[in-house]
Amino acid sequence: GENVEQHPSTLSVQEGDSAVIKCTYSDSASNYFPWYKQELGKRPQLIIDIRSNVGEKKDQRIAVTLNKTAKHFSLHITETQPEDSAVYFCAADSYNTNAGKSTFGDGTTLTVKP
Amino acid sequence: DTEVTQTPKHLVMGMTNKKSLKCEQHMGHRAMYWYKQKAKKPPELMFVYSYEKLSINESVPSRFSPECPNSSLLNLHLHALQPEDSALYLCASSHLVYDYGYTFGSGTRLTVV
Repeated sequence: GENVEQHPSTLSVQEGDSAVIKCTYSDSASNYFPWYKQELGKRPQLIIDIRSNVGEKKDQRIAVTLNKTAKHFSLHITETQPEDSAVYFCAADSYNTNAGKSTFGDGTTLTVKP
Repeated sequence: DTEVTQTPKHLVMGMTNKKSLKCEQHMGHRAMYWYKQKAKKPPELMFVYSYEKLSINESVPSRFSPECPNSSLLNLHLHALQPEDSALYLCASSHLVYDYGYTFGSGTRLTVV
């Protein structure tokens, strides 16, 4: 089955700096890569995703890049703010016409210091 | 309505009890999921329903029994649980056709005593 590795497990940055979280996956059939943000005591929320036919996607301060050949994808957050502090999970999935099953990385705890 | 609603939010049950967790969405999503999450760990898949049919069961013990009565509802029936089953149980749904990202419910925090 799919195996997703996520690094680093913890990341601390100063407000205004950039943060980068990296994930690798093992199954070449995976074609969908979402990122979820989970604040303490709350539900995971989808913040950005990318499909395998796209190399990069951006949404305001958040961007995701995908390298299918190397089987890795990354989350980039620019101009970080204290409210970006949370646990971030990457995931990999393979979709066709039926539901797949997202395999999650172990998570990165991001702390943004004011 | 862009939410997944889970009830109850908290549940304490004894090892001989029977209880059910409920999940509801009205976004027209045709895939629904049960995930289990332990503290400081990622969500761990339990079951997937696709078009109201069970499509994935991740070798979950039979003391957990899912049910999908219709396209908006998902239940998880619990019986004879163990203390190690204490966790946050998350329901999620996804569209399947237009996008695949999950919308998670707030979860049920389950404690087995």
